[in-house]
Amino acid sequence: GAVVSQHPSWVICKSGTSVKIECRSLDFQATTMFWYRQFPKQSLMLMATSNEGSKATYEQGVEKDKFLINHASLTLSTLTVTSAHPEDSSFYICSARSETQYFGPGTRLLVL
Amino acid sequence: QQQVKQSPQSLIVQKGGISIINCAYENTAFDYFPWYQQFPGKGPALLIAIRPDVSEKKEGRFTISFNKSAKQFSLHIMDSQPGDSATYFCAAVEGFNTDKLIFGTGTRLQVFP
Repeated sequence: GAVVSQHPSWVICKSGTSVKIECRSLDFQATTMFWYRQFPKQSLMLMATSNEGSKATYEQGVEKDKFLINHASLTLSTLTVTSAHPEDSSFYICSARSETQYFGPGTRLLVL
Repeated sequence: QQQVKQSPQSLIVQKGGISIINCAYENTAFDYFPWYQQFPGKGPALLIAIRPDVSEKKEGRFTISFNKSAKQFSLHIMDSQPGDSATYFCAAVEGFNTDKLIFGTGTRLQVFP
């Protein structure tokens, strides 16, 4: 079946630093990937749609300069949280589209 | 604006019982309705999905019932097991090519032995 991986699975960083999260489709090519954010005991909120070879489409209220998305190949999309602050601490989940969306295992970010 | 409403927020069921989670939507342009299962600290996994031209879909112990006129759909888990304890999200997609998933608020299911 379609497998999506994320790296790292968890990261702790200091406030003001940047963190990069990778999302890979392991056994299929995905022209479209999605990035979600999930707070504890809440639903998934779509942050942006990542299209291979073009700029990402951000949802309303998501700062594109803070959450940089790069979809460099058909199997890799990256999310970089720039100048991270404690309020950016969350669970970040990516998905990749095959015949439907397949989700990665998530990355837990803690900003101190 | 909550486009997909989900209830209940939490559900406790005894082993062997039936778990029922309900969702309702307003946007008649939605044409694909998946259900996801999420365990703590993990990403959601697709459980089962339905299109509005079908009123029911069954896969093993999991059944989706769809009522297009009422704009409601529900997930039934038969013979619920402790391993089913997880958070369940319904979702809707407007036009398959857009792929933009609109998630419900989630239901935390606990199945006790």
